[in-house]
Amino acid sequence: QQQVKQSPQSLIVQKGGISIINCAYENTAFDYFPWYQQFPGKGPALLIAIRPDVSEKKEGRFTISFNKSAKQFSLHIMDSQPGDSATYFCAASPRGTSGSRLTFGEGTQLTVNP
Amino acid sequence: GAVVSQHPSRVICKSGTSVKIECRSLDFQATTMFWYRQFPKQSLMLMATSNEGSKATYEQGVEKDKFLINHASLTLSTLTVTSAHPEDSSFYICSASSRKRRTVGNQPQHFGDGTRLSIL
Repeated sequence: QQQVKQSPQSLIVQKGGISIINCAYENTAFDYFPWYQQFPGKGPALLIAIRPDVSEKKEGRFTISFNKSAKQFSLHIMDSQPGDSATYFCAASPRGTSGSRLTFGEGTQLTVNP
Repeated sequence: GAVVSQHPSRVICKSGTSVKIECRSLDFQATTMFWYRQFPKQSLMLMATSNEGSKATYEQGVEKDKFLINHASLTLSTLTVTSAHPEDSSFYICSASSRKRRTVGNQPQHFGDGTRLSIL
């Protein structure tokens, strides 16, 4: 019940295309859903996050879509660029007033071809 | 934005050596710090959670005598890999989050840039 399932494992997109990464969870106690971007040899960087009281959040070219009833959320990268090539992790954590442990998805390696 | 500094970025040492990794929050007070381990092309595996001034809580299967964690201040946590062996070679990453008063909900975790540990 603690798992977060992420797909696809790898994704190749042409420059200018839309990259879509999907995640699903089981634990209904999760109420915070961040996405992290990780470049080789670096730590993950927080990209965008959403809470279940909204169905969509957009920040620049990055959008999270959230479906509470289906317990699914996805990351859309519009106008994908070669610089977006990285590994993306979805994550989830339960409600808490301090740092709560994150459960990570398995990761998606995104390659954006020029 | 919140900055977490991790040092060293890379360590190569002989088997049997103890290695200390530092994790510092540079512009905020980190009430909670997390230590992760990541194998190539895999996700992050949580090793332990530490709250300032308290003993760390280790995940199942993580040897607390092997991986010593100290969180003595609100800006510094250390992970010491004692008597390291080749199987301890990995990418170790820390993260930190703060607790804001009168704020309900999670505070984001901010990650360091990791430490590549290679044991010969």
